[in-house]
Amino acid sequence: GNSVTQMEGPVTLSEEAFLTINCTYTATGYPSLFWYVQYPGEGLQLLLKATKADDKGSNKGFEATYRKETTSFHLEKGSVQVSDSAVYFCALTSMGLSGGGADGLTFGKGTHLIIQP
Amino acid sequence: GAVVSQHPSRVICKSGTSVKIECRSLDFQATTMFWYRQFPKQSLMLMATSNEGSKATYEQGVEKDKFLINHASLTLSTLTVTSAHPEDSSFYICSARGQADGIFGQGTRLTVV
Repeated sequence: GNSVTQMEGPVTLSEEAFLTINCTYTATGYPSLFWYVQYPGEGLQLLLKATKADDKGSNKGFEATYRKETTSFHLEKGSVQVSDSAVYFCALTSMGLSGGGADGLTFGKGTHLIIQP
Repeated sequence: GAVVSQHPSRVICKSGTSVKIECRSLDFQATTMFWYRQFPKQSLMLMATSNEGSKATYEQGVEKDKFLINHASLTLSTLTVTSAHPEDSSFYICSARGQADGIFGQGTRLTVV
């Protein structure tokens, strides 16, 4: 079955530091990969996505590249801000072998990111 | 942009009672809606998939008689937690898919006392 493994937190960084949150996956078919962000007290928001190998998703200074050879989708940002403090979830949906139906998402456990001023 | 409205955001109920959570897609039609459950400091777990006008598909281990899902229209799905117990206390969140990606509601914090 599908699974997502991401680094456990909390991850604490100083403002303007470089961020990497690792994410690896196992999946059948040809999954699409996502990063979601959950700010305190709010629901999930899609941060970025990639639908095929070597695609790079990017948004708000964050980026992640779909690496099929290493089954990874690591999230990176060059200079984090205090406002980036949140929980980040890596997720996938497997659209291939299922016949292209609307599959639910499989999530990693989430990484709590804390940015200190 | 597309928005999913989930209501209520917080609810406290007594053990043995039932609670209904609504998930509405605003400005778009959602042929498929997903219901997730999130335990503290853990990931979201898919509970069930509902398609408008048909029965929901439940994930293994989820009691369909306890978590009743109705998707009567293209803009509304409801999750009813029947005969709630303290172990049902959790964060429930829906996702509506009418476009390429699912849009998430704000979530409902259920506390059963």
